[in-house]
Amino acid sequence: EDKVVQSPLSLVVHEGDTVTLNCSYEVTNFRSLLWYKQEKKAPTFLFMLTSSGIEKKSGRLSSILDKKELFSILNITATQTGDSAVYLCAVEKETSGSRLTFGEGTQLTVNP
Amino acid sequence: DVKVTQSSRYLVKRTGEKVFLECVQDMDHENMFWYRQDPGLGLRLIYFSYDVKMKEKGDIPEGYSVSREKKERFSLILESASTNQTSMYLCASSLTRVRPQHFGDGTRLSIL
Repeated sequence: EDKVVQSPLSLVVHEGDTVTLNCSYEVTNFRSLLWYKQEKKAPTFLFMLTSSGIEKKSGRLSSILDKKELFSILNITATQTGDSAVYLCAVEKETSGSRLTFGEGTQLTVNP
Repeated sequence: DVKVTQSSRYLVKRTGEKVFLECVQDMDHENMFWYRQDPGLGLRLIYFSYDVKMKEKGDIPEGYSVSREKKERFSLILESASTNQTSMYLCASSLTRVRPQHFGDGTRLSIL
């Protein structure tokens, strides 16, 4: 059975801190790993990772994939209160329709 | 920007009713998906479609059906609503296999 496990499930930090969110997976026919940010409504896309060791970066957020050890990390530097959200990790399989298997999510709270 | 629109933000129905949740995307995407999101369980795939009139079961299809008569519209049907179908329902679409899914704002459905 496919499995995506995120840790920690919940995290509280102060503004300015750096955080690392983890995602490990056991999926047959892996194609890609995706990170989403979910505030009150729709999850919004952050990164799609397909190759090991290549860091993707967007402002203060960055992510990297390790296909040998089957995990990914999402880093957020100099956190702001606007980073408070649930961060979702999902893995895509090599099947028709690009179906995703999601982890439970990490609830990040950034306090001023 | 991709726009995925779900017809209702909040919906209250009674057990035994037939319930329709509608989703429309405006970017000519081939793939469309229905998920439900529950605390502690994350997002779980109910059904997806990779072409008009094509549908495939996801991880939790029991009690649901779908319809995709036109490319832009994907409907989720609860044949006979039950209280355990109270949940947040999220629709998503994607262009091809190598493009990320984009989500609607969700419908919070309560079955009384």
